[in-house]
Amino acid sequence: SYVLTQPPSVSVAPGKTARITCGGNNIGSKSVHWYQQKPGQAPVLVIYYDSDRPSGIPERFSGSNSGNTATLTISRVEAGDEADYYCQVWDSSSDPIAVFGGGTKLTVL
Amino acid sequence: QVQLQESGPGLVKPSQTLSLTCTVSGGSISSGSYYWSWIRQPAGKGLEWIGRIYTSGSTNYNPSLKSRVTISVDTSKNQFSLKLSSVTAADTAVYYCARERSGWYGYWGQGTLVTVSS
Repeated sequence: SYVLTQPPSVSVAPGKTARITCGGNNIGSKSVHWYQQKPGQAPVLVIYYDSDRPSGIPERFSGSNSGNTATLTISRVEAGDEADYYCQVWDSSSDPIAVFGGGTKLTVL
Repeated sequence: QVQLQESGPGLVKPSQTLSLTCTVSGGSISSGSYYWSWIRQPAGKGLEWIGRIYTSGSTNYNPSLKSRVTISVDTSKNQFSLKLSSVTAADTAVYYCARERSGWYGYWGQGTLVTVSS
């Protein structure tokens, strides 16, 4: 089965740039989607198709995907960005299944 | 604006069947090219995809749960449902229903906590 690997935690000072990685075998050949989840809330889509932003998501959120690593970048980090972030792809090697990374806790210092 | 709402028992006994329903409002469950999915999250842990259904009735399930899972749809009620049999404490989690479009989940329910305990 396909495995996505995320760092458990990332810390960043306000106003700086946070980068959250998502590793997987040849993940660059897949479409990666990213979700933000705050405590007690459902996940919210922040990036789809590697780098597209849904309406209502600030331009500070961006994504990239190449080789074995996809990256969610949050520029000019704000306190309100503190949350868990999950990457997601589809594993279509047999019946298609959605695969989530283990999640990364973003702490704003 | 599409909204999803999970409902069902919050407490299920071990070995019994967990049953949840997701009611979709703000749009027809039959319209558009969408899959309707269930995703769960144990306390303090990550997201686990359970499975999905298309309005035609076509389903895909997580192989780790496939032998115990059934997802069905009732277009007349604008609902889809999850049944998970032979539950154990490991099935205790917040269960989310969500709408999938082209691979991503743009709409989620608020989630419902299901505890497996005697």
